Amino acid sequence: GAGVSQTPSNKVTEKGKYVELRCDPISGHTALYWYRQSLGQGPEFLIYFQGTGAADDSGLPNDRFFAVRPEGSVSTLKIQRTERGDSAVYLCASSPGAGANVLTFGAGSRLTVL
Amino acid sequence: AQSVAQPEDQVNVAEGNPLTVKCTYSVSGNPYLFWYVQYPNRGLQFLLKYITGDNLVKGSYGFEAEFNKSQTSFHLKKPSALVSDSALYFCAVRDNTNAGKSTFGDGTTLTVKP
Repeated sequence: GAGVSQTPSNKVTEKGKYVELRCDPISGHTALYWYRQSLGQGPEFLIYFQGTGAADDSGLPNDRFFAVRPEGSVSTLKIQRTERGDSAVYLCASSPGAGANVLTFGAGSRLTVL
Repeated sequence: AQSVAQPEDQVNVAEGNPLTVKCTYSVSGNPYLFWYVQYPNRGLQFLLKYITGDNLVKGSYGFEAEFNKSQTSFHLKKPSALVSDSALYFCAVRDNTNAGKSTFGDGTTLTVKP
């Protein structure tokens, strides 16, 4: 596609529920990133994929968070047993590769945990 | 570990005056440095980057930034501000030895008054 697409744009869920957030990167971009942005803060790194594999998952806050990219294109961020503190905007970005490449961001998925 | 500091939450300037948005960074290796802008209800957009070479880099919409290795700074500048430049600006750093992970500052809100 022309840009990075994220769905849903908004998700409201109850504490303890399971959530999936989807990211469709720019076609041909091998690198894909997930970030989390809380109000008044900058994007916080979660995980980075190069192709199908997670090259760096050091930003995932705990084992409730998991992400996959099975075919090297679309990625899904999965959050189990959601907590109120998980409420944030989840941003996805892609780039032609890693290194000095510029990240192209999607509009984000706003998650609200009640 | 890598980090970014944007010491000013808010910068206010009059239209037509020069503007500066400050950024300092810390990385173990050599830095890749980026500025992104976020307009209300829109995703992060790339402005400019420093990878190597000339310390003064020019980017979109008349913005420029100067890399200063001794001061570990990468301040964003524009000679003459426009009201339409009002937005949230983020500085980001990537270590060239860990080129998948970008660390962002907490952002600076720029307000340009007519």
